[in-house]
Amino acid sequence: SQQGEEDPQALSIQEGENATMNCSYKTSINNLQWYRQNSGRGLVHLILIRSNEREKHSGRLRVTLDTSKKSSSLLITASRAADTASYFCATDAGGFKTIFGAGTRLFVKA
Amino acid sequence: EPEVTQTPSHQVTQMGQEVILRCVPISNHLYFYWYRQILGQKVEFLVSFYNNEISEKSEIFDDQFSVERPDGSNFTLKIRSTKLEDSAMYFCASSDIYEQYFGPGTRLTVT
Repeated sequence: SQQGEEDPQALSIQEGENATMNCSYKTSINNLQWYRQNSGRGLVHLILIRSNEREKHSGRLRVTLDTSKKSSSLLITASRAADTASYFCATDAGGFKTIFGAGTRLFVKA
Repeated sequence: EPEVTQTPSHQVTQMGQEVILRCVPISNHLYFYWYRQILGQKVEFLVSFYNNEISEKSEIFDDQFSVERPDGSNFTLKIRSTKLEDSAMYFCASSDIYEQYFGPGTRLTVT
């Protein structure tokens, strides 16, 4: 798989449920970031986690990072219809190059 | 809140024509980036720019592409001779150190 691969590719849940998306990567990283993209729109930065961090919270978002498994997860708690979007992880292996995964399309049903 | 802006929002051009996509990064940021996203596909890194020179570029960023910071505020991406496969959303981003702020994108349609 390529650097920054998310799974599942698509996720459909009911409002109020939690949504978990996973990301795997191949090379060593300095940090990993999660972005949201609403259909046809730009990317919105959600959260950055550094390679020496294991968990980070921001509002309803919780990100974990396991560098031994080269994986990260994004948990959105108590999802809302407005959370419907595509979610991408992006890895920064150093230098000035950021690699995005293919994304998870989340659909939250009201 | 400061934001990255991009113009135009949509550009239609004929194959073989030159296009310039414009971006105004956040004013105190030092690092600038261009990405593209072909419809339905992942966001692909094109190039990063720091201290008035290219820091890194991808294999996509061939001789048809160039970037410039012509003044203290604008950051441009030029495609010299567009091809049909250049049709995509082009995103500009800027950052201070880690967190990149993205613009809304320019949709380029090559006919």
